[in-house]
Amino acid sequence: DTEVTQTPKHLVMGMTNKKSLKCEQHMGHRAMYWYKQKAKKPPELMFVYSYEKLSINESVPSRFSPECPNSSLLNLHLHALQPEDSALYLCASSQEASLNYGYTFGSGTRLTVV
Amino acid sequence: AQSVTQLDSQVPVFEEAPVELRCNYSSSVSVYLFWYVQYPNQGLQLLLKYLSGSTLVKGINGFEAEFNKSQTSFHLRKPSVHISDTAEYFCAVSKTSGSRLTFGEGTQLTVNP
Repeated sequence: DTEVTQTPKHLVMGMTNKKSLKCEQHMGHRAMYWYKQKAKKPPELMFVYSYEKLSINESVPSRFSPECPNSSLLNLHLHALQPEDSALYLCASSQEASLNYGYTFGSGTRLTVV
Repeated sequence: AQSVTQLDSQVPVFEEAPVELRCNYSSSVSVYLFWYVQYPNQGLQLLLKYLSGSTLVKGINGFEAEFNKSQTSFHLRKPSVHISDTAEYFCAVSKTSGSRLTFGEGTQLTVNP
């Protein structure tokens, strides 16, 4: 298995909703990442987990809450989002928290906040 | 901090023509360099990477890139493009000791028949 699987592929949520994005990999990678990508822009780093511990938080608002329950799974919990949070959310993993091997990206969750 | 500049936001070419997508980087420390491709409504796929050694790097789908330390460049090339190469291409850089990828703004490659 050489994939990063993200679910759901599309999500529409209201500003008062609570939802979660899920990311799973079975490549034995020990670092996992959340990126946010707006249309026609490059991905922007949000969070990095290394060995299931949060190692980087890029000053992301608290309405985004990451969780890494085990080495294969990464969640992003969403609450009280704003319309400007609408974007493609990409999960990635790498063998270690250094980039000799590059990242493997998932296909993303297209989030629309209404 | 590292930064990446992709010199062309859009590159239109005809099918079977050669193409070069330009990328310059800035860093005060040693870096790794990457090219990723993103097809519409997809995630990013690694095309190739430079870590060390030979400055000419070959990747998937017939792409190659050349690392030029003196010019701080990492241009991506393909000798003959196909319609299916139409996509957004991102150059990215990281410190050799880091886990953070910094992306350029992207280059939209459009291959016309």
